[in-house]
Amino acid sequence: DAGVTQSPTHLIKTRGQHVTLRCSPISGHKSVSWYQQVLGQGPQFIFQYYEKEERGRGNFPDRFSARQFPNYSSELNVNALLLGDSALYLCASSPTASLTNEKLFFGSGTQLSVL
Amino acid sequence: SQQGEEDPQALSIQEGENATMNCSYKTSINNLQWYRQNSGRGLVHLILIRSNEREKHSGRLRVTLDTSKKSSSLLITASRAADTASYFCATGGGGSNYKLTFGKGTLLTVNP
Repeated sequence: DAGVTQSPTHLIKTRGQHVTLRCSPISGHKSVSWYQQVLGQGPQFIFQYYEKEERGRGNFPDRFSARQFPNYSSELNVNALLLGDSALYLCASSPTASLTNEKLFFGSGTQLSVL
Repeated sequence: SQQGEEDPQALSIQEGENATMNCSYKTSINNLQWYRQNSGRGLVHLILIRSNEREKHSGRLRVTLDTSKKSSSLLITASRAADTASYFCATGGGGSNYKLTFGKGTLLTVNP
């Protein structure tokens, strides 16, 4: 079975632009969560979606938004990009809504560079 | 903010030696997980220990949890060059089951 897939792998944007990152969870997993990882830091929680509904949101500005589709894939959108948005964006899937009581399966991430 | 804090930030050892990494956290938890990350790519789950457990083993990994001290340790025995990676602890709970909070990680280098 395929693991969590993310696209694109790398992306270069300029300040002020908009970006869309995509994630396909493991087959049968209904929960998708997004994390931002700045170089040298641990991942920071951005969003969780379960059954197409937002279940949790981290401390990120409204420029960050996400959605989950009927097939449980997900998109993360970031508007008005800032230099500080440069990071590795990780998607993780899990079978249930609880992120804390079971392991997460991570994709390889999208490396976003904002120039 | 990140709840878990790993110690040390970096660790360099020789193959065959044991590696111990520590994690401290601030609030009450339901469980604690350890993840591994190679070269800034995706994280891989290693082990989950629940708040009512004190020790757990998985292959060459041994995890302990001391909820009174709000700390956990990850021991990798008989390390190999392939164990070179960053290791993160992640905590969940404290009233929230939708958010997993990661520490800053320990960079482990195992020299052949």
